[in-house]
Amino acid sequence: GNSVTQMEGPVTLSEEAFLTINCTYTATGYPSLFWYVQYPGEGLQLLLKATKADDKGSNKGFEATYRKETTSFHLEKGSVQVSDSAVYFCALSARTDSWGKLQFGAGTQVVVTP
Amino acid sequence: GAVVSQHPSRVICKSGTSVKIECRSLDFQATTMFWYRQFPKQSLMLMATSNEGSKATYEQGVEKDKFLINHASLTLSTLTVTSAHPEDSSFYICSARDPLGVLNYGYTFGSGTRLTVV
Repeated sequence: GNSVTQMEGPVTLSEEAFLTINCTYTATGYPSLFWYVQYPGEGLQLLLKATKADDKGSNKGFEATYRKETTSFHLEKGSVQVSDSAVYFCALSARTDSWGKLQFGAGTQVVVTP
Repeated sequence: GAVVSQHPSRVICKSGTSVKIECRSLDFQATTMFWYRQFPKQSLMLMATSNEGSKATYEQGVEKDKFLINHASLTLSTLTVTSAHPEDSSFYICSARDPLGVLNYGYTFGSGTRLTVV
């Protein structure tokens, strides 16, 4: 079945540090890949997405590239801010599910300190 | 963009009572909505897929008689936790598939409902 594996947290960083959150996936066919962010006490917000191999999703300084050869979709940001403290979820949606189910990774908590 | 409103954001109820959570698509028609459950410090687990005008499809291990889902209109899906118990305390989140398709915007999530059963 489809699955998403992402690095465990919490990840603690100082402001302006470089952030990487690893995400790898297992899926049949060519899934769409997403990163969602959840701020404390809130629901999920779509951060970025990529729908085919080599696509790069970007938003708010975050980037992730769909790497089919390594089945990865790592999230990066060059200089984090305290406001980036949140839980980040990698997810996929597969054509085999008729674009129905979103399969989530376990989530990675990021804590950015001043 | 597509907006999904979920209500209430927090609810505390007594053990044995039922709680209804609403999920509304505000500016689009959502023929399909999804209900997730999230335990503290864990990921989201899909509970069921709600389809307008038909019965919901439940994931394996989810009690359909306990978690009643109704999707009677194109803009409203409800999740009712019946005879709630403390172990049902959790964060429940709904989502709807973007009307322009997942390739455009993916899925829009509600802000979630924190249920505490005492």
